[in-house]
Formats: sequence, C-alpha cells, structure tokens
Amino acid sequence: EAGVTQFPSHSVIEKGQTVTLRCDPISGHDNLYWYRRVMGKEIKFLLHFVKESKQDESGMPNNRFLAERTGGTYSTLKVQPAELEDSGVYFCASSDGYEQYFGPGTRLTVT
Amino acid sequence: GQQLNQSPQSMFIQEGEDVSMNCTSSSIFNTWLWYKQEPGEGPVLLIALYKAGELTSNGRLTAQFGITRKDSFLNISASIPSDVGIYFCAGHFGNQFYFGTGTSLTVIP
Repeated sequence: EAGVTQFPSHSVIEKGQTVTLRCDPISGHDNLYWYRRVMGKEIKFLLHFVKESKQDESGMPNNRFLAERTGGTYSTLKVQPAELEDSGVYFCASSDGYEQYFGPGTRLTVT
Repeated sequence: GQQLNQSPQSMFIQEGEDVSMNCTSSSIFNTWLWYKQEPGEGPVLLIALYKAGELTSNGRLTAQFGITRKDSFLNISASIPSDVGIYFCAGHFGNQFYFGTGTSLTVIP
C-alpha cells in the first residue's frame, strides 16, 4: 500500500512569490491534515479536511494560506505571497480516524 | 490549543543503554501516539495507545497511556545506533492531533 506522498520535497522561493505544495494521502483515508514544523519547535496543526470539506482550519496562520482538496483526493496548500516566517517543513498526514500517517514533508525556504 | 510538554528535549546515550522519554498535558486525550522522525523523512508511527493504563510494546519499544489520560511515556531498551532520530508524542482528541516538541536522541556507538 502506497504511503502519503508530498511534492515537492524542497522549495526555495523569494519573499513575495507564490508556492503550491501538494499532498496525496493514503487511498481511502477521508481525513487529511496539514502541519508545519519550524526548526526546533513542535509540529503545529494547520488544517483538517474530511473528504473535500474543511473540518477545521483554525491553525492556518493568515489569509495568505489557501488549502484545497479536490474531490476528496489529493490536497494543495498555496502560500501567496510568501513571507520569511513561512519557512519550515510542511507535513501532510492522512488518517482513517484512529492512526495518522505522515508524508515525508516539503521543506520550504523563503529568502 | 492544547499544549504537550515533552521531555527531555535531547538525549545523548551510549549504545546498549535504555532510554525513557515522556509527555504530559493539561488536557485529557483519547489516544496517545509516538512517532519517530529521521532526517529528510516524515514522522513514522511507532506505537498507538487507545486506553488509559494501556501498556504496549513494539520490539524494543514500550509505551504506556497514563491512567489520568494526561500523560504517556516511551521506553527504548538496549539502544542501537539506528535508534537515532527525533521522537514525537501526539495526543488525539476530537478531530485533532496535538504534538510535543520532540526528543532528539543520539546514540553513541
């Protein structure tokens, strides 16, 4: 069974540019989560989809972040325009309701 | 949001030693999970605990769900070099998972 995949693995962009991260969850998992980890800090929740609906987006830092989940399958997280403090590793995870499985993450560097 | 306090923040141990780390919370959780992250990878689920008081093993790893539902510990016995990584605890309540800050483990051969 394929795990959670994320693309790209790394992205380096300049402040003010736009970046779109993609996550493909484990097939059949209705729950999809986005997290961010800044160096040395905890993994912070961004938002949670159940199928194509946003269940909870209380962790989204501001309106420069936009997440979508097309047809309840893959999800994208767009940052526009990117700021320096957006740098970090963005993880996607999917869950069957009990256990949660992570993707390898996208390391975003904003310069 | 709910805060998890994970300790210690880092550990440097000799190969063969046992390791213990724990997480505490001011809130109760329905599930406790322990993950390990290696460089360049996402966190990998090691152990999931579903009931207060539950003690579960996975090879050399043992974890327990605290009786108050507000804490959990992870023990690693007879550490080996490939145990190196960052270990995260996570609590599950409602639809959300809350994470600790991680314990960085270094095993000296």
